[in-house]
Amino acid sequence: EVQLVESGGGLVQPGRSLRLSCTGSGFNFGDYAINWLRQAPGKGLEWVGFIRSRDYGGTPEYAASVKGRFTISREDSETTAYLQMNSLKIEDTGVYYCSRSRITVSSRLDNWGQGTLVTVSS
Amino acid sequence: DIQMTQSPSAMSASVGDRVTITCRASQDISNYLVWFQQKPGTVPKRLIYGASSLESGVPSRFSGSGSGTEFTLTISSLQPEDSATYYCFHHDSYPWTFGEGTKVEIK
Repeated sequence: EVQLVESGGGLVQPGRSLRLSCTGSGFNFGDYAINWLRQAPGKGLEWVGFIRSRDYGGTPEYAASVKGRFTISREDSETTAYLQMNSLKIEDTGVYYCSRSRITVSSRLDNWGQGTLVTVSS
Repeated sequence: DIQMTQSPSAMSASVGDRVTITCRASQDISNYLVWFQQKPGTVPKRLIYGASSLESGVPSRFSGSGSGTEFTLTISSLQPEDSATYYCFHHDSYPWTFGEGTKVEIK
C-alpha cells in the first residue's frame, strides 16, 4: 500500500525556520517526484513546489510565494523528502501535504499524505 | 503563470440533479488537468486525471471533459455524499496551480 507521512509541523514564530519531512513507503520512492502542497485555514489548496526524481535531475521548482525562502530536498536512501522553510510569515500557516508524481499524466498527485499543521504566530 | 478560474464558487443542488463545474485556464494546458474532491477535515481525493480519465474506485456519475483552456467536471446524478469542495489543478508549465474551488451543497 502506498503511504506518504508528513511530520515536523508545529508552532513557530514569524521569521523563524522549520523543516518538514515526507516519508514514503509501499512504492519505489526514488522513481517519483515529490510535491509539497498547503492549505491555509478555511482557504483553498496551493501547490508549494516539488523536487524531481534523480532520473530527471533531482531539481526543484517552487511557487512564487515561497521562492527564495523554502527549499525542497530529498534523501532517497531514507525514502524521505524535506521542505525547509525559512523566514516564515504568518501567511505560511496551514496544513502542509506531500504527494507524489511521475512523468505520466496518470501518476500526477495520485496519493497524498495526511498532512502536518504549521502555525506561524508570535 | 497560468491562472485557473473555476465557476461557480458555490452552488446548491438537489439529490439527483446534474451538476456541472467549469474550470478555465488562462492559456492552453492541453489535458494536464486534474479534479480533486475535498470534504471538510479530510485529504483531497483525486477524481479525474488527464482531464477526462476517471480514477479507479470513483463512481461513474463523475466525469470530466475538455482540453486546451476549457474544462468541466460533471456529476450526472448528485448524491448526498457528494457534498464537498471541488478543485481543478493544472500541471502544465511551472508553477502548477489550483482553481479557487467550488463548494457543492445539497439542498
